[in-house]
Amino acid sequence: DAGVTQSPTHLIKTRGQQVTLRCSPKSGHDTVSWYQQALGQGPQFIFQYYEEEERQRGNFPDRFSGHQFPNYSSELNVNALLLGDSALYLCASSSVAGGPLAEQFFGPGTRLTVL
Amino acid sequence: AQSVTQLDSHVSVSEGTPVLLRCNYSSSYSPSLFWYVQHPNKGLQLLLKYTSAATLVKGINGFEAEFKKSETSFHLTKPSAHMSDAAEYFCVVSKPGSSASKIIFGSGTRLSIRP
Repeated sequence: DAGVTQSPTHLIKTRGQQVTLRCSPKSGHDTVSWYQQALGQGPQFIFQYYEEEERQRGNFPDRFSGHQFPNYSSELNVNALLLGDSALYLCASSSVAGGPLAEQFFGPGTRLTVL
Repeated sequence: AQSVTQLDSHVSVSEGTPVLLRCNYSSSYSPSLFWYVQHPNKGLQLLLKYTSAATLVKGINGFEAEFKKSETSFHLTKPSAHMSDAAEYFCVVSKPGSSASKIIFGSGTRLSIRP
C-alpha cells in the first residue's frame, strides 16, 4: 500500500498564475481533505471531498477550488496566486465508514512557492 | 469556540532523557484531542488520541499523553528520547462527533535530540 501520494513535490509559480495539485488517497479510502500549512504554523483545513462533491469548507476564498474523481483521487486548484499562498499543501484521506473523526492519513505534501 | 496552544516552539533534549511537549486547549465542551508527528518530507502521522475514555492515552513509539481537564492540558511525554524522535509535533483539538472542518491544529513544537 503506497499510502497517500501527492504530486508534484515542489512547485514554483509567479503571482497571478494558476496551479493544480494532485492527491491519490490511501487504498480503501473515499474521502479526501486538503490543508494549507504555512511556514512555522500548523495545518489549516481548506475543504473536504466525498462522492465527488465538496462537503465541508474552511475559511478560504473562492480562488481555492477542488475536484474529486470517480477513483477518489483529488485535485486542488488555486487561481490568481498571491505571495501569501506560498505554503506546504497537505492532502489527507480517510474512510467515511470510520465516522466524522475517522483517522486521517496524510501525504507528504506539495511545497508551493509563489514569487 | 475552541483553540489550542503549544507552549514551546522548540524543545531540545539529550538522547535517553525524558521528553515533555506541552499543549493547552480552550474549549466550551469536552474536546477530542490528538497529537500528530511530522518528519521532514513525510506526512503527518497520528501518535495518539483522546476521545473521553481513559485520561492517560498511550500512543505509538512509546509516547503517551494525559488529559487534565482542571488544567486544560494534554501534554505529550516519552520516558526516553531516541534520535528518531526528532520531528515536528502538533497538538490538535476537535469537537467530538464533529467534522474535519472543526479540527484545529496548534502551531507545532520542533523536537531536537542531542546525541
